[in-house]
Amino acid sequence: GAVVSQHPSRVICKSGTSVKIECRSLDFQATTMFWYRQFPKQSLMLMATSNEGSKATYEQGVEKDKFLINHASLTLSTLTVTSAHPEDSSFYICSARRSGGSNTEAFFGQGTRLTVV
Amino acid sequence: QKEVEQNSGPLSVPEGAIASLNCTYSDRGSQSFFWYRQYSGKSPELIMSIYSNGDKEDGRFTAQLNKASQYVSLLIRDSQPSDSATYLCAGSGGSTLGRLYFGRGTQLTVWP
Repeated sequence: GAVVSQHPSRVICKSGTSVKIECRSLDFQATTMFWYRQFPKQSLMLMATSNEGSKATYEQGVEKDKFLINHASLTLSTLTVTSAHPEDSSFYICSARRSGGSNTEAFFGQGTRLTVV
Repeated sequence: QKEVEQNSGPLSVPEGAIASLNCTYSDRGSQSFFWYRQYSGKSPELIMSIYSNGDKEDGRFTAQLNKASQYVSLLIRDSQPSDSATYLCAGSGGSTLGRLYFGRGTQLTVWP
């Protein structure tokens, strides 16, 4: 199977601090990873597309200076929420697409519950 | 604007019944469709993918795709209480492989 590991699963931080979330593809290489955010009782909203070795592509309305994405290798992408505020509290989920071919299937990490106090 | 719409729900069925979940999409260029199951507080789990018109069966699950009508459905036969979850319909699209457009989800409750 294709396993995507996301860490940490839960984090509580103080307002104004930064939090880093890691997304790793454990048994496959992922040229492209995706970062989603999900608020309670809402669907997943794509924040940005992370491409290995290049800059991330952000969706409209997502602040790139606040949500820093780094995809330095084919198995690791990180999302850093900078200067976090309570309204950033949400469920953050990454997904990864296996490199190569034309397959469109993406596999999800376990998600990170961020609470900013 | 690529959109995926799901019937609003919530949907409640008795154990052993068939649960029917529906989804429509706006982008005729979408080629791949997925059904994910999401338990409360957990990440989505892929349960079915479908790429061509017709039915695709996997155990108790059957996905149906009608590209002419831009319609995707998921049938769950012999529903179990453990099937109670939110079901998300997603379609692919755009130039980025793996980029998915999600519906709002349908909450399913299977009561014993």
